[in-house]
Amino acid sequence: AQSVSQHNHHVILSEAASLELGCNYSYGGTVNLFWYVQYPGQHLQLLLKYFSGDPLVKGIKGFEAEFIKSKFSFNLRKPSVQWSDTAEYFCAVISGANNLFFGTGTRLTVIP
Amino acid sequence: GAGVSQTPSNKVTEKGKYVELRCDPISGHTALYWYRQSLGQGPEFLIYFQGTGAADDSGLPNDRFFAVRPEGSVSTLKIQRTERGDSAVYLCASSLNSGRTGELFFGEGSRLTVL
Repeated sequence: AQSVSQHNHHVILSEAASLELGCNYSYGGTVNLFWYVQYPGQHLQLLLKYFSGDPLVKGIKGFEAEFIKSKFSFNLRKPSVQWSDTAEYFCAVISGANNLFFGTGTRLTVIP
Repeated sequence: GAGVSQTPSNKVTEKGKYVELRCDPISGHTALYWYRQSLGQGPEFLIYFQGTGAADDSGLPNDRFFAVRPEGSVSTLKIQRTERGDSAVYLCASSLNSGRTGELFFGEGSRLTVL
């Protein structure tokens, strides 16, 4: 069975610090990968996605993620976080069937 | 409306009661998904519709849970004989085609509390 692992449950950073959130998935076939974000009091929204091509994908608000097939990873990065990035971040994968499987999420708190 | 609409936003019920949760997807979106999110967890897949039919219902936890989408638009998630463990936020999402190729647009969710 496929699964998505996010090892960081809660990350606390100061503004301007660099961010990397880990995501690993288990599935041997072709996958489509996503990062979703949920800001406090808001609904889930797409941050970025990878289908094929350049393994380094750029999303909204300065976020990027790198797909490393050999490591089954799709880590999220941002060079300099802002207070407004405080949110919960979910990695997700689609493979085979058309349903999206989510990780347990990582809560990011950015201290001004 | 422009987004996915879910009603009610909050529902408190007693153990053993029947509950219906409604989802109104974005107009024209053929794919519709139901997820359940418990505290501290990621969204858990329940069921996926493509048009009127349930293309994948493998995530429904047991036969107390059922969902319909009779006209390929609005969907209703039905929970019979509710249990305290059913308490969670139930999320609906829609997508223009299948989620595999597109972005899922989520609603605000329906928070269900079973006392």
